[in-house]
Amino acid sequence: QKEVEQNSGPLSVPEGAIASLNCTYSDRGSQSFFWYRQYSGKSPELIMSIYSNGDKEDGRFTAQLNKASQYVSLLIRDSQPSDSATYLCAVNRRGGADGLTFGKGTHLIIQP
Amino acid sequence: KAGVTQTPRYLIKTRGQQVTLSCSPISGHRSVSWYQQTPGQGLQFLFEYFSETQRNKGNFPGRFSGRQFSNSRSEMNVSTLELGDSALYLCASSLGARVTEAFFGQGTRLTVV
Repeated sequence: QKEVEQNSGPLSVPEGAIASLNCTYSDRGSQSFFWYRQYSGKSPELIMSIYSNGDKEDGRFTAQLNKASQYVSLLIRDSQPSDSATYLCAVNRRGGADGLTFGKGTHLIIQP
Repeated sequence: KAGVTQTPRYLIKTRGQQVTLSCSPISGHRSVSWYQQTPGQGLQFLFEYFSETQRNKGNFPGRFSGRQFSNSRSEMNVSTLELGDSALYLCASSLGARVTEAFFGQGTRLTVV
C-alpha cells in the first residue's frame, strides 16, 4: 500500500464548477497535511495546510480532513483556467521524521 | 520578504562527476529540507537540516550528502553521478524543526549525461 495515494487524473472540470481532489494516507500517526499546487516546469507552491479534523477554508479553497477514514480532500470553488495544475497532497508522518511524504499528484484541467 | 533561493537553476554533468547545489532559506527559517522529484517516483525526501545538524535522512545512497551553515544556508552534494540522478532537486524552508509548513525554492534541474 502506498503511503499517500492520489488519483493521477487528469481530472477535467468546467470553468466555474467545483473541483474536488482526494488523497488517502496509510500512517494513522500522521499529524499534518498539506496541499501544494505545481504548474508545469515550476516548483510546488503551498496552498493549504490542515491539522485537525473538519474543514478549513481559505478563499476559494477548502481543505477537509477525516483522520478516522485517513483521507484529506481539497475543494476548489468557482474553478478558473489558472487553477489548471498538478495538485500534490503531502503528509507529515512520524512527526516529520521522514520529512513530508508526497502523493504523485492529481493533474487538474479546468475547461473554459 | 525574499523566498527560498536555489542555485544554480540548471546543471548538466557527466556520469562520475560530482555536483554541489545551494539553497538559501527564507529569512528567519532554520530548517531546510531537500527533495528529489522525478516523473516516475514523484517527490522523495532526501534529508532535513536544522541548526546545522542533519535530523533526518531519506532512503538514498551515501553518495547524497548535505550540510547546513550557521546562517541556515544549505548545500547538498551528489558524488559519482549516475544517469538516474537526473531530476529536479528542490529545497524547502521551514520555520522550525520537524517540518511544519514548507516553502519550496525554484529547484535545480540536474541532467546527467
